[in-house]
Amino acid sequence: AQTVTQSQPEMSVQEAETVTLSCTYDTSESDYYLFWYKQPPSRQMILVIRQEAYKQQNATENRFSVNFQKAAKSFSLKISDSQLGDAAMYFCAYRSPLASGSRLTFGEGTQLTVNP
Amino acid sequence: GAVVSQHPSWVICKSGTSVKIECRSLDFQATTMFWYRQFPKQSLMLMATSNEGSKATYEQGVEKDKFLINHASLTLSTLTVTSAHPEDSSFYICSARDWAPLQPQHFGDGTRLSIL
Repeated sequence: AQTVTQSQPEMSVQEAETVTLSCTYDTSESDYYLFWYKQPPSRQMILVIRQEAYKQQNATENRFSVNFQKAAKSFSLKISDSQLGDAAMYFCAYRSPLASGSRLTFGEGTQLTVNP
Repeated sequence: GAVVSQHPSWVICKSGTSVKIECRSLDFQATTMFWYRQFPKQSLMLMATSNEGSKATYEQGVEKDKFLINHASLTLSTLTVTSAHPEDSSFYICSARDWAPLQPQHFGDGTRLSIL
């Protein structure tokens, strides 16, 4: 079974600065999908960014980018020019294309605080 | 983008009451829906995978008779918490995935269940 580990329960960053959230995973599959979800205090789950394992190029969405290291099984999220609205719980998630219903496996989450 | 509607958003009821939570995919057909439970400051815990027209697949440790899932159509899945007790109080979130392989899961806004 796949596992996802987020080793940073809490992180903080100054507004306008850059922060990197770590995520590692364990799998024996060669093809899979990785996601970062954001959960603000409203508790709505918001997709931030996704990466297909067969793509070597790192995904980028505006101020959000990932550093995908397939051999190291690492999938970190970089947030540039941090804004107050980025404060939230961030979850890294793994999805196997073969698993029943393509379920998501979530990490424990990282609580991000943005200081003004 | 794809929208998943979850109702109600908040329920407060007496112990022993059965509570039904609805999850609808509004602009796509979802052959598979997922039900999660989340405790404060913790990750999402998958309870069950709901497949249209067939029985749900429950995760280990989840009581099938306590958490009844019905997925009668391609746009609607329901979770019924039967004879709810205070320990069932939690935040419940549903998600649904479009059939296309690269599509991510889309989440409802969640239901906060409080059993008195």
